Amino acid sequence: DAGITQSPRHKVTETGTPVTLRCHQTENHRYMYWYRQDPGHGLRLIHYSYGVKDTDKGEVSDGYSVSRSKTEDFLLTLESATSSQTSVYFCAIRPGASTDTQYFGPGTRLTVL
Amino acid sequence: EDQVTQSPEALRLQEGESSSLNCSYTVSGLRGLFWYRQDPGKGPEFLFTLYSAGEEKEKERLKATLTKKESFLHITAPKPEDSATYLCAVQAGNGNKLVFGAGTILRVKS
Repeated sequence: DAGITQSPRHKVTETGTPVTLRCHQTENHRYMYWYRQDPGHGLRLIHYSYGVKDTDKGEVSDGYSVSRSKTEDFLLTLESATSSQTSVYFCAIRPGASTDTQYFGPGTRLTVL
Repeated sequence: EDQVTQSPEALRLQEGESSSLNCSYTVSGLRGLFWYRQDPGKGPEFLFTLYSAGEEKEKERLKATLTKKESFLHITAPKPEDSATYLCAVQAGNGNKLVFGAGTILRVKS
C-alpha cells in the first residue's frame, strides 16, 4: 500500500460536462503522475507533477488539465468530457531521488456517455 | 520514440507448467526496466526494477532478466494465484516518465 487514494472510484457522466478526479497521498512524495489505461494501449501518461505548482505534459495530455496546490493532492480535470475519455485513470507516486519506481493507486473508472 | 512490445498477448498455463513472458524495447538510453503485476479492477503492483544488461532479480516463482533489447519474466511452476496481467515499462531520458507495454494476460489453471 503506497498510501494513495483516488476519488471517486467510479463515475458516470455525460458528454460536455466537466469532471475532476482527485489523487491523494499521505507521504509527501514530490512526484505524482496521472495515467489512463485502455485495452490494447497499456498505461499512457497524461500529466505529471514534480512539485507544488510544477507540472508537465505526458503523451496524451490533450483535453486534460492538472493542478497541484498542495503536496498531497494532484487533481486531473476534464474540462468538457468526451466519449473518447472513457477509461480507467490511475494516479502514481514516485518517492523521490532515491528510487525510480512508481507506485500506483487503485484507479478511477470513468464512463462518459 | 521509445516503444515497448510485450508478447504473447495472452498465455494459458496448467499449474506447474513453467514459461516465460517477453518484453522487447527500443529506448534512447535505458535508465530502468520495470515489471508490474495487475489484478482485475486494481492498480499495478510493483515487482522488479532492472537497470543493466545481465541483471537478474527473483521473487518467489518469478525471475526477471534483462538484455540490451529485451527482458524476460520467467514463471517457474506457476500456481492459479499467479494469474494476472503482467506489465513491462521502460524509463529513459530524465527519468520522469515510464513507457508501458500493453501487457500479457496470464491464466494458470489447476
